[in-house]
Amino acid sequence: DAEITQSPRHKITETGRQVTLACHQTWNHNNMFWYRQDLGHGLRLIHYSYGVQDTNKGEVSDGYSVSRSNTEDLPLTLESAASSQTSVYFCASRRDFGTDTQYFGPGTRLTVL
Amino acid sequence: AQSVSQHNHHVILSEAASLELGCNYSYGGTVNLFWYVQYPGQHLQLLLKYFSGDPLVKGIKGFEAEFIKSKFSFNLRKPSVQWSDTAEYFCAVPKRGTYKYIFGTGTRLKVLA
Repeated sequence: DAEITQSPRHKITETGRQVTLACHQTWNHNNMFWYRQDLGHGLRLIHYSYGVQDTNKGEVSDGYSVSRSNTEDLPLTLESAASSQTSVYFCASRRDFGTDTQYFGPGTRLTVL
Repeated sequence: AQSVSQHNHHVILSEAASLELGCNYSYGGTVNLFWYVQYPGQHLQLLLKYFSGDPLVKGIKGFEAEFIKSKFSFNLRKPSVQWSDTAEYFCAVPKRGTYKYIFGTGTRLKVLA
């Protein structure tokens, strides 16, 4: 079955370290998204990609970067982790406009000490 | 700008009580609407979606939602909740001309056994 996976599921790191969160989907979807989920804020879009070599900033992109070298993967990098980036991160993918559902990965809980 | 608002942030109900969670959107044109559910410790899953046709949409686990265009609303309902419905519920709408979704801030439902 097609799916979307994230790794690691839990990560503890220190302030200032570089951290990369992996996202892999097997639906062959062109559109992939990274969100962070925080109490009181719901889901906020960090970065997104509409295809290979395409990346775009979302509403809370500062301190994060993504790259898209193939259809299946969209890794999220925290260049220099900050305590404000402690959150739960969700990756999602979607095929096309309008009628298509966005599918979510299981999430990565990141703690920055 | 398009927006989605969920006015109930926390809801506590007893088992067998009826549920209605509010969702209002800002855009008045053709609109597609989604409800997602996130059970504790899990990722977001699609509960139901509306694209066209019958404004009363049936979803999984006995949930339904009614699209009322004149009120810009897409409220989620369930006649009799169960303890297992304890979760966070998100309303979402695709952002026009993009593959992105706009999510509401979520409603945390706690059902007391």
